Amino acid sequence: RKEVEQDPGPFNVPEGATVAFNCTYSNSASQSFFWYRQDCRKEPKLLMSVYSSGNEDGRFTAQLNRASQYISLLIRDSKLSDSATYLCVVKAGGFKTIFGAGTRLFVKA
Amino acid sequence: DAGVIQSPRHEVTEMGQEVTLRCKPISGHNSLFWYRQTMMRGLELLIYFNNNVPIDDSGMPEDRFSAKMPNASFSTLKIQPSEPRDSAVYFCASSWSYRSSGANVLTFGAGSRLTVL
Repeated sequence: RKEVEQDPGPFNVPEGATVAFNCTYSNSASQSFFWYRQDCRKEPKLLMSVYSSGNEDGRFTAQLNRASQYISLLIRDSKLSDSATYLCVVKAGGFKTIFGAGTRLFVKA
Repeated sequence: DAGVIQSPRHEVTEMGQEVTLRCKPISGHNSLFWYRQTMMRGLELLIYFNNNVPIDDSGMPEDRFSAKMPNASFSTLKIQPSEPRDSAVYFCASSWSYRSSGANVLTFGAGSRLTVL
């Protein structure tokens, strides 16, 4: 079983739609969680950290469920510019930072 | 800040040749990570350093791969001899890490795209 698993997609949604991604992790001792965004042929960049109580940044909402070992990302009012691959990231302990394979999102006009 | 700087951006080489990829982390960051990305396997963690010391190299695929960090501002990833299956994008990332809680948010370089013919 992979340490971090994501649905690869792709998710094809119209502008203005709400879309949600889930990610599961296998190590119950994992400490920190993040969502990164990667545009085509570019490097991953931090989108947002995920806090235990859930957190929001504009149109983006992240949730953590430690009991079920999954994190989620909700994007409201999708924009064309949201088209990218979204990477779930888990810090398993110490310095080891593991990336999921990513979920591809295409937002259509 | 110039960010994490990697070179070369693109490398095309023939099987059997030695490849050296270079990384300059963000000044003040004390942790450095090497990742490899392919369509099939996604982003794989190869090795990471803290305060120039290798902490975990269990992700290094074979003895053909080696990495060094001689000082806080420079790291290399070397493949010798290279093989076609090594073709991938190699990313370097750096972070400020606390001893008690480990790595914080990673900042990536633009990557080195390697093609081995």
